[in-house]
Amino acid sequence: AQSVAQPEDQVNVAEGNPLTVKCTYSVSGNPYLFWYVQYPNRGLQFLLKYITGDNLVKGSYGFEAEFNKSQTSFHLKKPSALVSDSALYFCAVRDIRGSWGKLQFGAGTQVVVTP
Amino acid sequence: ETGVTQSPTHLIKTRGQQVTLRCSSQSGHNTVSWYQQALGQGPQFIFQYYREEENGRGNFPPRFSGLQFPNYSSELNVNALELDDSALYLCASSPAGGAYEQYFGPGTRLTVT
Repeated sequence: AQSVAQPEDQVNVAEGNPLTVKCTYSVSGNPYLFWYVQYPNRGLQFLLKYITGDNLVKGSYGFEAEFNKSQTSFHLKKPSALVSDSALYFCAVRDIRGSWGKLQFGAGTQVVVTP
Repeated sequence: ETGVTQSPTHLIKTRGQQVTLRCSSQSGHNTVSWYQQALGQGPQFIFQYYREEENGRGNFPPRFSGLQFPNYSSELNVNALELDDSALYLCASSPAGGAYEQYFGPGTRLTVT
């Protein structure tokens, strides 16, 4: 079984400050990990993924994430947040031995960036 | 390059009725997955279609069914609608294989009254 936990319902940050959105996962095998962002009344937009290799992955819009196998975490980070980063962020995991279509999503973290 | 499209955008149905939602995959993508996103929750995997066959299913009852066509577009059918089926239904496409990210359409908002 695979699962994802996003421990914070909401993260508040001032514009220009660093942004971190936390994610921990559980899979029986090795994970594929993904971050998506959702704006109101929109579908999900892909930000970045970890498949293998370097633990620090860089994605769209200045976002990056660090894979930590020992802590089973995949936290999303941005060095300097923008007001336009305010949105709902989802972490997702796929067990490489499972159905390749099944992404297990977390409950989401609402990010609010204030001017 | 055309992205994932879904129709209709919004739909209102009565409990007990049947509904069909449609999805066109992104150019070059042969795999389509469907998700249900209830209000305030993350998307839940319904099923995936590859080569016109169901290739993986989540914890949804048989009244949720689907089709994939030779051009890789897909339909989601829900019979005997229940109030709890009210949600945003998302379609996602990708190339075959677990390492690929899925690209999502804008969703269909279904309201069951």
